[in-house]
Amino acid sequence: AQSVTQLGSHVSVSEGALVLLRCNYSSSVPPYLFWYVQYPNQGLQLLLKYTTGATLVKGINGFEAEFKKSETSFHLTKPSAHMSDAAEYFCAVSDQRTGRRALTFGSGTRLQVQP
Amino acid sequence: DVKVTQSSRYLVKRTGEKVFLECVQDMDHENMFWYRQDPGLGLRLIYFSYDVKMKEKGDIPEGYSVSREKKERFSLILESASTNQTSMYLCASSFEGARSHSGLPIYFGEGSWLTVV
Repeated sequence: AQSVTQLGSHVSVSEGALVLLRCNYSSSVPPYLFWYVQYPNQGLQLLLKYTTGATLVKGINGFEAEFKKSETSFHLTKPSAHMSDAAEYFCAVSDQRTGRRALTFGSGTRLQVQP
Repeated sequence: DVKVTQSSRYLVKRTGEKVFLECVQDMDHENMFWYRQDPGLGLRLIYFSYDVKMKEKGDIPEGYSVSREKKERFSLILESASTNQTSMYLCASSFEGARSHSGLPIYFGEGSWLTVV
């Protein structure tokens, strides 16, 4: 079965600093990979996704992620954090081997941005 | 824009009550999902449906059932609510045709906070 590991349940950065949120997956077949963001008291919003092709994927709000097959990773980055980036971030995978329609999510990383 | 609407944002129910959580999507999506979100556990899949009257168990179906009588509506049912079902419930939907060429982005509702006392 697919699984997703997000290292660090809480990450704190200063405004203007680099944001790095880590995601590793386990799969025998390269999966489709997603990052979602959840603002307080809201549902999840898609930030970006990787399916095939270019391994560096750009998303909304200045975020990007790089798919590294050799490291089974899909870390999320943003060069300069903004106060509005404070939220919870979820990495998710789809199971291309079984074709399961649902996504499997990681446990989430809460990003705090300090002024 | 895709719109997934969960009818109740906040509910408080008593142990043993039957609870219905309703979800409607307006984009003619084939797939609909119910997830449960708990701190430190992320989102866990309860049930999903890929067509009217079709359903499949997710990873934690115990204590739950679902109903999909119309394509746009997917209901989650707690037959006899228990305190360990206090959680945030998220409904989502996706377009089946997207699977083959662009991955499977799924679109979420705002969530329903359920407290069972």
